[in-house]
Amino acid sequence: DAGVTQSPTHLIKTRGQHVTLRCSPISGHKSVSWYQQVLGQGPQFIFQYYEKEERGRGNFPDRFSARQFPNYSSELNVNALLLGDSALYLCASSLEGATDTQYFGPGTRLTVL
Amino acid sequence: QKEVEQNSGPLSVPEGAIASLNCTYSDRVSQSFFWYRQYSGKSPELIMSIYSNGDKEDGRFTAQLNKASQYVSLLIRDSQPSDSATYLCAVYNFNKFYFGSGTKLNVKP
Repeated sequence: DAGVTQSPTHLIKTRGQHVTLRCSPISGHKSVSWYQQVLGQGPQFIFQYYEKEERGRGNFPDRFSARQFPNYSSELNVNALLLGDSALYLCASSLEGATDTQYFGPGTRLTVL
Repeated sequence: QKEVEQNSGPLSVPEGAIASLNCTYSDRVSQSFFWYRQYSGKSPELIMSIYSNGDKEDGRFTAQLNKASQYVSLLIRDSQPSDSATYLCAVYNFNKFYFGSGTKLNVKP
């Protein structure tokens, strides 16, 4: 079975631009979470979606938004990019609830210049 | 105060020894606790989850939870060079996950 997939793998943007990151969960998984990981730090929780509804939100500004589609794939959108948004963005899927085992995708490396 | 605190390390142990990794958390009502392993340049992968006080064993790994002391630990027995990685402690409460910054473990052959 395919694992969690994310696209694109790498992305370079300039300040002020907008970016959309995509995630496809493991088949049958209904929950998707997004994390930001800066080098040398642990992942920081951004959002969790379950059955297309937002279940949890971390301490990120409103420039960050997400949604989950009927096929359970998800998009993370970031507006008005700042240099500090440069990070690895990880998507994780789980079968049902929030405390089910999360399987992480390979991540999208975002660089903001 | 950070929600989850870990010693950044590096923690160096010889091959075959027991590695002990520790984590403290700030919110007393935290519900669920996880240990992840992250190799350099890779994504985190779950090692153990623990939800109630006491020990939980899985192969060479033992997770220990003490809610009164707000403390979670991970013991790795018979450490192998392939265990060299960063170990992340994560805590779940009120629909949010909190990760520590991770402890880097080096297992020397």
